Amino acid sequence: AQSVTQLDSQVPVFEEAPVELRCNYSSSVSVYLFWYVQYPNQGLQLLLKYLSGSTLVKGINGFEAEFNKSQTSFHLRKPSVHISDTAEYFCAVSEVEYGNKLVFGAGTILRVKS
Amino acid sequence: SAVISQKPSRDICQRGTSLTIQCQVDSQVTMMFWYRQQPGQSLTLIATANQGSEATYESGFVIDKFPISRPNLTFSTLTVSNMSPEDSSIYLCSVWGDGYTFGSGTRLTVV
Repeated sequence: AQSVTQLDSQVPVFEEAPVELRCNYSSSVSVYLFWYVQYPNQGLQLLLKYLSGSTLVKGINGFEAEFNKSQTSFHLRKPSVHISDTAEYFCAVSEVEYGNKLVFGAGTILRVKS
Repeated sequence: SAVISQKPSRDICQRGTSLTIQCQVDSQVTMMFWYRQQPGQSLTLIATANQGSEATYESGFVIDKFPISRPNLTFSTLTVSNMSPEDSSIYLCSVWGDGYTFGSGTRLTVV
């Protein structure tokens, strides 16, 4: 079965600085990979997804992620963060062949400071 | 991608009672998924619901506590039965369609 590890529970960063949120996964088969954002007291919003093709995936709000199969990673990056990016970010994986069940990481809280 | 309407958005319930959560999808989907997000935690899959068959429950979740109905390809309900304060969580439904779409969630507080 697949699993996801988000290596940082909290990431503090100053406004306009770059940020990387790390995600590693484990699976014995091909996977789909996702990043979701959850703002305080709100639902889940899809930031970006990797299904196939180019390993560099661009999403909404200036975020991008790179699928690295050899390192089983899918790190999320943004070159310059804003106060409004303060939220919790979840990495998630589903195995392509096994019923498309989505497994989430524990989440990373991004705190952007002025 | 699919659009999901989830009801209710929030509720406060007495312990020992049950709450049924509904999800309506604007297109036909084979599988629907139900998740729980406990306070300050990540999302955990409760069960997968296929139309015309019994739901498949994940380890730690049982049908008597979380009965699910899937009467057609656009609708599903999750019932949280005999509630206790430990059931206070956000419950979300999800469908697959070029990625996973989630309902807006039901914030349940049990008092």
